[in-house]
Amino acid sequence: DIQMTQSPSSVSASVGDRVTITCRASQGISNWLAWYQLKPGKAPKLLIYGASNLQTGVPSRFTGIGSGRDFTLTISSLQPEDFATYYCQQANSLPRTFGQGTELEIK
Amino acid sequence: EVQLLESGGGLVQPGGSLRLSCAASGFTFSSYAMSWVRQAPGKGLEWVSGIGGSGGTTYYADSVKGRFTVSRDNSKNTLYLQMSSLRADDTAVYYCAKDRSSGLLGGDYFDYWGQGTLVTVSS
Repeated sequence: DIQMTQSPSSVSASVGDRVTITCRASQGISNWLAWYQLKPGKAPKLLIYGASNLQTGVPSRFTGIGSGRDFTLTISSLQPEDFATYYCQQANSLPRTFGQGTELEIK
Repeated sequence: EVQLLESGGGLVQPGGSLRLSCAASGFTFSSYAMSWVRQAPGKGLEWVSGIGGSGGTTYYADSVKGRFTVSRDNSKNTLYLQMSSLRADDTAVYYCAKDRSSGLLGGDYFDYWGQGTLVTVSS
């Protein structure tokens, strides 16, 4: 199975800050990577697929880049609704696997 | 509008059984693979099981293989997860999720999710 490692596991930031989360795959996955946002009691939300493609309806302050083993998700100017937990997921091969998550907290 | 509504969660004793359902609407259900993804308390996401659009292809995580069975009724637009021999470490919120691209169960992303149903395995 492909292991996905995210960093940091948690980050504190303020509204308006720029935040970057990284995800590394245990082997090359081309651009087969997605990012999700989870909030308690709500349905998880797909943000980015194919490493850099913005899902319909997702604000442009979310940006994904990377290929091979290393990927990043950047939120350019944090908004109050962005405080949540973020997960990466590889879609290169079965089983689909997720990173351990990054909790984005309000400073 | 795509909607996924899970039901069937609850408290069950170790060794017991439970069947989860996911009612889907807003898309052509039979055209997309569907999955169950779970999140144990304080833990990350785990892909538990998936099924192709026709129901002919299935996948199970090693942690549930032989104990869980995924199925779908395309005439009712409903996905199921039959869980048996439940253990404490099966305690989690179980999400139903739709594949983004196709009915083939392969590498893909989950573009819509339900809000989840909580399964608690405890005596």
